[in-house]
Amino acid sequence: GESVGLHLPTLSVQEGDNSIINCAYSNSASDYFIWYKQESGKGPQFIIDIRSNMDKRQGQRVTVLLNKTVKHLSLQIAATQPGDSAVYFCAENRWTGFQKLVFGTGTRLLVSP
Amino acid sequence: SQTIHQWPATLVQPVGSPLSLECTVEGTSNPNLYWYRQAAGRGLQLLFYSVGIGQISSEVPQNLSASRPQDRQFILSSKKLLLSDSGFYLCAWMAGGGADTQYFGPGTRLTVL
Repeated sequence: GESVGLHLPTLSVQEGDNSIINCAYSNSASDYFIWYKQESGKGPQFIIDIRSNMDKRQGQRVTVLLNKTVKHLSLQIAATQPGDSAVYFCAENRWTGFQKLVFGTGTRLLVSP
Repeated sequence: SQTIHQWPATLVQPVGSPLSLECTVEGTSNPNLYWYRQAAGRGLQLLFYSVGIGQISSEVPQNLSASRPQDRQFILSSKKLLLSDSGFYLCAWMAGGGADTQYFGPGTRLTVL
């Protein structure tokens, strides 16, 4: 079946570096994507979203890029901090008679001081 | 502002015992409500969703059931737990009326022994 997947299970960076977390999707009809951050033992926290009519969206220290040609999106975190250590999920919001989120496996971001 | 609560935070239950997990949302009316399960190191699997009181749809066949007795209350239940029911259970809400973003509660860690 169609899925939303991530390229790398773990990403290790040094504090202050920029981080890039990637996500591939397979449904070319997907038109809305969300990035979530999940710290250990907690529920996912909304970070940023993007619609298919955009190719870039910026938030505070985060940028999401969407490449519809290759069905790929990425989350860029500037000046990564130890508090950014978490698992990051991309999710595809699909309409199948109701709003449904399809999640990838996730990427664990480890930030070293 | 809207908040979502789940309880209990953790639960250890013997195989064959019943289950009741509760989720409540504050600060919004007529939300869409969702139950997810997350296995260790994995993404989220949608179990149930509800668009209104008494309206429950199941995504996957399983040993669990859900109910929505009030507009902002969502309950996950089982009559007899299985070992495979262990996991991290997350409740989420989304504003009705065509909104896209889901917001998650803090989760319940269920261990079935």
